[in-house]
Amino acid sequence: QVTLKESGPVLVKPTETLTLTCTVSGFSLSNVRMGVSWIRQPPGKALEWLAHISSNDGKSYSTSLKSRLTISKDTSKSQVVLTMTNMDPVDTGTYYCARMDEWFGDLDHWGQGTLVTVSS
Amino acid sequence: ETVLTQSPGTLSLSPGERATLSCRTSQRVSSYYLAWYQQKPGQAPRLLIYGASSRATGIPDRFSGSGSGTDFTLTISRLEPEDFAVYYCQQYGSSPPVTFGGGTRVEIK
Repeated sequence: QVTLKESGPVLVKPTETLTLTCTVSGFSLSNVRMGVSWIRQPPGKALEWLAHISSNDGKSYSTSLKSRLTISKDTSKSQVVLTMTNMDPVDTGTYYCARMDEWFGDLDHWGQGTLVTVSS
Repeated sequence: ETVLTQSPGTLSLSPGERATLSCRTSQRVSSYYLAWYQQKPGQAPRLLIYGASSRATGIPDRFSGSGSGTDFTLTISRLEPEDFAVYYCQQYGSSPPVTFGGGTRVEIK
């Protein structure tokens, strides 16, 4: 059974750095064909893709947020970590990690999401 | 960057009716790389369709996907009460590799 679970702070202050962890089970982060993406959703708004790390450790980022994002993984711990610097209130929202089938580019399993609020 | 435009923004229908949702892309997208998701309030999105027309595991056959090039469609043949939700299309390509549409809300008329 494939599961993903996000963890991290629920509240961060403006200008701080957010660090989120996605812990996966039911598959290995070294599996060929499987990668992990981070997606966020401001309250009442649409989904926004942030970053992706592939099975061979290739990394890609949202064009508009590239300068603020870093994605990495620890295969032995089954964890993918996303950091976002210089947080702003507009970054408030639910952050999801999801497994991607890289043969088709679809996100076939999602975590439950974690709500992050940016406020002083 | 490939922009995905979904229409209509909101679809008001009754249970039992047919729903047709559109996703138009700003550049040609391979049919292999077009997916659809359903999201209900307070829940994570759920994969419905991948490869433009293949149903994900456990998805009822009232959901179908079609299209190619820049025009893709999600059809729900007969709406069930649990189908009222927001639907997103998503493409996988190059730089950046993933983009989502703005969503279509299917609401009870």
